[in-house]
Amino acid sequence: AQRVTQPEKLLSVFKGAPVELKCNYSYSGSPELFWYVQYSRQRLQLLLRHISRESIKGFTADLNKGETSFHLKKPFAQEEDSAMYYCALGGGSNYKLTFGKGTLLTVNP
Amino acid sequence: DGGITQSPKYLFRKEGQNVTLSCEQNLNHDAMYWYRQDPGQGLRLIYYSQIVNDFQKGDIAEGYSVSREKKESFPLTVTSAQKNPTAFYLCASRSRRGDSYNEQFFGPGTRLTVL
Repeated sequence: AQRVTQPEKLLSVFKGAPVELKCNYSYSGSPELFWYVQYSRQRLQLLLRHISRESIKGFTADLNKGETSFHLKKPFAQEEDSAMYYCALGGGSNYKLTFGKGTLLTVNP
Repeated sequence: DGGITQSPKYLFRKEGQNVTLSCEQNLNHDAMYWYRQDPGQGLRLIYYSQIVNDFQKGDIAEGYSVSREKKESFPLTVTSAQKNPTAFYLCASRSRRGDSYNEQFFGPGTRLTVL
């Protein structure tokens, strides 16, 4: 069974501070991991995916298969980063995504 | 912005009534999905469809039904059998071309309230 755990419901940091949103997954096969973001009054949208190995809006995430983690990091948080962040896991031939429960990030001025 | 649209934005239903939520996409995507979003629960998959005239149950399909008669449309019916239907419903679509895990594009959502 696929499972995604985001241990923090809420995360609050100050502007300019580093931020790390944690994501752990459980899956027996080869996983595909994603981070989706939902800004206030906007649609849920893809932030980044592990196979792209790219940095989006200063965010990066590295897949650690040994620790079954895919933590999202940004060295210097900005107020516009305040949003709900969802980690998602894909696996198997049906291409379904399993989402975590989300972490609400608040970046204070 | 177009792409994937959902209607209505808000929907009120009396107990015992069935209601249908609309989801339309003009992205030429093959796969479409319905999720339910509840506070503190994240997104949970209700139904999904990889191609026209075919769909599969997700993790919480009980009390819901869908159809996929056209590539562009994937309506969701919330039946009276759904015990706790008040929630925010999100529709998504995905291209099946090329990379198997292409991005899912989400609609703006429909908030359903049972009175």
